[in-house]
This record gives sequence, C-alpha cells and structure tokens, in this order.
Amino acid sequence: EAGVAQSPRYKIIEKRQSVAFWCNPISGHATLYWYQQILGQGPKLLIQFQNNGVVDDSQLPKDRFSAERLKGVDSTLKIQPAKLEDSAVYLCASSLKIRQGAANYGYTFGSGTRLTVV
Amino acid sequence: QKEVEQNSGPLSVPEGAIASLNCTYSDRGSQSFFWYRQYSGKSPELIMSIYSNGDKEDGRFTAQLNKASQYVSLLIRDSQPSDSATYLCAVHSGNTGKLIFGQGTTLQVKP
Repeated sequence: EAGVAQSPRYKIIEKRQSVAFWCNPISGHATLYWYQQILGQGPKLLIQFQNNGVVDDSQLPKDRFSAERLKGVDSTLKIQPAKLEDSAVYLCASSLKIRQGAANYGYTFGSGTRLTVV
Repeated sequence: QKEVEQNSGPLSVPEGAIASLNCTYSDRGSQSFFWYRQYSGKSPELIMSIYSNGDKEDGRFTAQLNKASQYVSLLIRDSQPSDSATYLCAVHSGNTGKLIFGQGTTLQVKP
C-alpha cells in the first residue's frame, strides 16, 4: 500500500512570500488532515477534511492560510503571506472515514514539508 | 489546562531498562488513544493504539489506559539505543473527531 505523499520536502522562502504544499492521501482514505509541527512541539491540527468537505478548521489562521481538497482526494495548503513564525514542518495525514462517536484506528502521516521563512 | 499533557523530558534510561512514558488528557469523551514515535527530522510513526481500560502488549511495548483517571502510559521493556526518539501521545475524541497530540517526551537510551 502506497503511503501518504507530500511535496515538496523542503522549502525556504522570504517573509511575505506565498507558498503551497501538496498532499496525496492513501487510496480510499476519506479523511485528510493538515498539521503544523513547530520544533520541539507536538503536531497541531490546522484543518480536517472528510472527502472534500471541511470538518474542522478552527485552528487555521484564515487570514493567511487556506486549504482545499476539491475532488476529495489530494489536497493543497497555502500560506500567503508567510510570516517568520510559520517556520515549521507541515504534516499531512489520512485515515479511513471517521464516524461520529466511533473509535478511530490511527492516522498515517506523510514525510512532511519543512518550511523555513527568512 | 492543555488537552493532552506529557512531560517533555528528556527521560534518560540505561540500555536494557524499562522506560515509562506518561500522558494525561482532559476530554472525557475521548475513545481512542495512540502512541507515536518520532525520530529527529522524521514524521510520526504509529506504534501502539489502545481503546479500552487495561493493558495492551505488543512485543517490547505495553500501553496502559485508565479512563477514570484520564491517563495513558507506554512502557518500553529492554530499552535499546534505537528507541531513542520523541514519543507523542495522541488522543482522539469521538465527539469532535479531532486527534490531539501532546508535546512529546524525548527518550534517551544510553548504551
């Protein structure tokens, strides 16, 4: 089974520039997540999709971050304009469809995109 | 209060010893609990999941869950230097559908 694919692996940009990350989840996984992991911290959920609909984006800084999953498969996360504090690893994860109230059987993470804003 | 709390460490144990990692959570509606291992510069890797009270063993790893105390732990027996990593506790809420991570505990196993 192919894993979660992410690109690019690394990106260095200047502050106020824009950047986009791409994620392709495991085939058949309806639920897709974007996490931000700042050095020394645990991953923080930015946005959760179920198919092509947003389930939760309460921690997404919507003034600069946007995400979409148009066909319910791959997804892009964009930052515009970037700030120094956006330097982090952006992780994409996927899982089988989440049913409300049901146990979840774990997420699979991609290799991440390491963003450095200078 | 943080939703998922872990001691950031580092926790240092000698090779062959038992490493004990702890985690507490605040959402009583949580139903699924996970331990991820993350090597430096790598993405998190799922190593254990537990859903009901008690112990679950898988090789050298044992996960323990106490929902009444809102407490999850991971024991690593016969610790090896290759176990040196950050261990992330993650809790899934059946109510919100979110998977929330703790900050991670860094484990150092010394030869």
